[in-house]
Amino acid sequence: DAGITQSPRHKVTETGTPVTLRCHQTENHRYMYWYRQDPGHGLRLIHYSYGVKDTDKGEVSDGYSVSRSKTEDFLLTLESATSSQTSVYFCAISRDRGYEQYFGPGTRLTVT
Amino acid sequence: GQQLNQSPQSMFIQEGEDVSMNCTSSSIFNTWLWYKQDPGEGPVLLIALYKAGELTSNGRLTAQFGITRKDSFLNISASIPSDVGIYFCAGHPWGGSQGNLIFGKGTKLSVKP
Repeated sequence: DAGITQSPRHKVTETGTPVTLRCHQTENHRYMYWYRQDPGHGLRLIHYSYGVKDTDKGEVSDGYSVSRSKTEDFLLTLESATSSQTSVYFCAISRDRGYEQYFGPGTRLTVT
Repeated sequence: GQQLNQSPQSMFIQEGEDVSMNCTSSSIFNTWLWYKQDPGEGPVLLIALYKAGELTSNGRLTAQFGITRKDSFLNISASIPSDVGIYFCAGHPWGGSQGNLIFGKGTKLSVKP
C-alpha cells in the first residue's frame, strides 16, 4: 500500500468554522491531490499540487484553499465551512503527471 | 466537460461467475485506470493501462485499453465474495491539464440474494 495518511479521519464541525484537513505521504511523490466524493457525483478534484508551493485549482475549488510547504504534506482548508461541504475527502498522490494516482483512506467531514 | 460513461451501474454476482464492465468516452484518453473501493475506504488501484490495445492482467482481473482510445473494459473471472464493492474507471484525457483525472460513476457489485 502507498504510504498515505489523512487526518483527522472523521470530523464534525459547525457552519462558519474553519477546518483544515491534512494529507501526509512517505512516497516522495511530486503530485498530490484533494478530491471530494459525493453520491451521484463521484470523485471530483478540488485542488492539486505539482511541487512544493505549486498548486492549482480543480473542478470544484470554490470555498477551499490548499498549501504545500513540504513534499510530504498537503493541507486542505475550508475557511468557513458550509453544509454543502459535508462530504468524504480523499487525498491522492502520483509520481508525475499522467501516471496512476494512489488514494488515502479518506476523511469524513460533517458540517452541521 | 469530459465524462466517462461506466456500465453497468450495478450488478449481482454469484460466486464463480465471470463479470464484465466497461467505460466509454466521446473523447480520446491517454491513460485508463481501474479502481476498487470498499465501504469506508479509499479507492485502491487495480490496473493501469497506458497504450491503445494494451491488455493487462492482475490475478483474476483483466483490463484492456480500447484501440480507439475511447474505451476500456474490466473483466473479473471466477468471482469470489470479496470481489463485492464499487469499481471505478478513470482516465487522463488527451490534452488535459496536469491534474485532470476523470472518473466514471462506478459499477456496484453485490452478491445475488
